[in-house]
Amino acid sequence: KAGVTQTPRYLIKTRGQQVTLSCSPISGHRSVSWYQQTPGQGLQFLFEYFSETQRNKGNFPGRFSGRQFSNSRSEMNVSTLELGDSALYLCASSGGQTSGNTIYFGEGSWLTVV
Amino acid sequence: GENVEQHPSTLSVQEGDSAVIKCTYSDSASNYFPWYKQELGKRPQLIIDIRSNVGEKKDQRIAVTLNKTAKHFSLHITETQPEDSAVYFCAASSPRDDKIIFGKGTRLHILP
Repeated sequence: KAGVTQTPRYLIKTRGQQVTLSCSPISGHRSVSWYQQTPGQGLQFLFEYFSETQRNKGNFPGRFSGRQFSNSRSEMNVSTLELGDSALYLCASSGGQTSGNTIYFGEGSWLTVV
Repeated sequence: GENVEQHPSTLSVQEGDSAVIKCTYSDSASNYFPWYKQELGKRPQLIIDIRSNVGEKKDQRIAVTLNKTAKHFSLHITETQPEDSAVYFCAASSPRDDKIIFGKGTRLHILP
């Protein structure tokens, strides 16, 4: 079974631009979560989607948004990029229907904002 | 919402000795506690998890204990080996919202 796939793996953007990251979950998984990883802050929860609906949201500004498609693939978008948005963005998928499901991470997308 | 605190942030252990990483959580309803290991440049991977209906779980050299009353849980690694060097993250999930919230991580160094 293929794992969680994220694209692109690496990207460099300029302040003020916007970026879209993509995530394909493990086949059969309907829940997709996004996390931001930075050296000092660890893994911070951005949002979670289940069956095309945002089920949970973390404490990030409205510049961070996401969506999920009918095939469970998900995208996250960051608008008006700031230097502090430089981070590893990790996507994770799970079966998701009930609580306490194991989540499986993708390799992540490394975003550098210059 | 749930908040997870993890200590220490860095831990150095002599090869062959034991390592212990501790976490506390805030939401008494939390019922699922996974631990992830992240090697340099790689994705976090689940190494062990525990649910609130048990107090301890063991898998070879790794064990996790849970104290629901005190709202803390710990990861124990015995007979540490060089390949145990990595960043370890604890996490907690509550049925109130199903979010999995992570601690800030512990960088474990195994010294030769």
